[in-house]
Amino acid sequence: KAGVTQTPRYLIKTRGQQVTLSCSPISGHRSVSWYQQTPGQGLQFLFEYFSETQRNKGNFPGRFSGRQFSNSRSEMNVSTLELGDSALYLCASSLKQGSYNEQFFGPGTRLTVL
Amino acid sequence: AQKVTQAQTEISVVEKEDVTLDCVYETRDTTYYLFWYKQPPSGELVFLIRRNSFDEQNEISGRYSWNFQKSTSSFNFTITASQVVDSAVYFCALSIAGSARQLTFGSGTQLTVLP
Repeated sequence: KAGVTQTPRYLIKTRGQQVTLSCSPISGHRSVSWYQQTPGQGLQFLFEYFSETQRNKGNFPGRFSGRQFSNSRSEMNVSTLELGDSALYLCASSLKQGSYNEQFFGPGTRLTVL
Repeated sequence: AQKVTQAQTEISVVEKEDVTLDCVYETRDTTYYLFWYKQPPSGELVFLIRRNSFDEQNEISGRYSWNFQKSTSSFNFTITASQVVDSAVYFCALSIAGSARQLTFGSGTQLTVLP
């Protein structure tokens, strides 16, 4: 069974630009969550999508947005990039049945903002 | 709000030594979930274990064992007879019922196992 895939793996942008990252969950998984990992702030929850609807959102500015498609693939977008947005962006998928299911993480997209 | 504290930033041990990674959590919720993840240099977070707040049984899986104590709000992780391949960053995390997939992570412990 293929794992969570994220594209692209590496990205370099300049301040003020926008960026879109993509995540394909494990087949059959319907929940996708996004996390930002930086040396200063560590791992922080961005948002979760299930059935094309945002279910939870972390404490990030509105420049960070996302969406989920009917095939459960998800994209996140960051507009007006700032230097502090340089980070590893991790996507995780889970089944969402019952009270809880484990999340499986992808390899991440490393974004560098110059 | 939830909080997870991993006070040990870096630990170095020599191969075959036992090592314990500490995790202390804070939450006002009575139903919550605790996790450990491993992050090797490749960057991908690897799930190791989940515990819910009603299950205080310790668990052993091969060389790994976990000690969950609600009385001290701790969920410690022990690696027995460590190996070089265990070198990684280990994260403890917490989520609460109602937003079970919203993980609050600790700052991580960098474990280096020397040959």
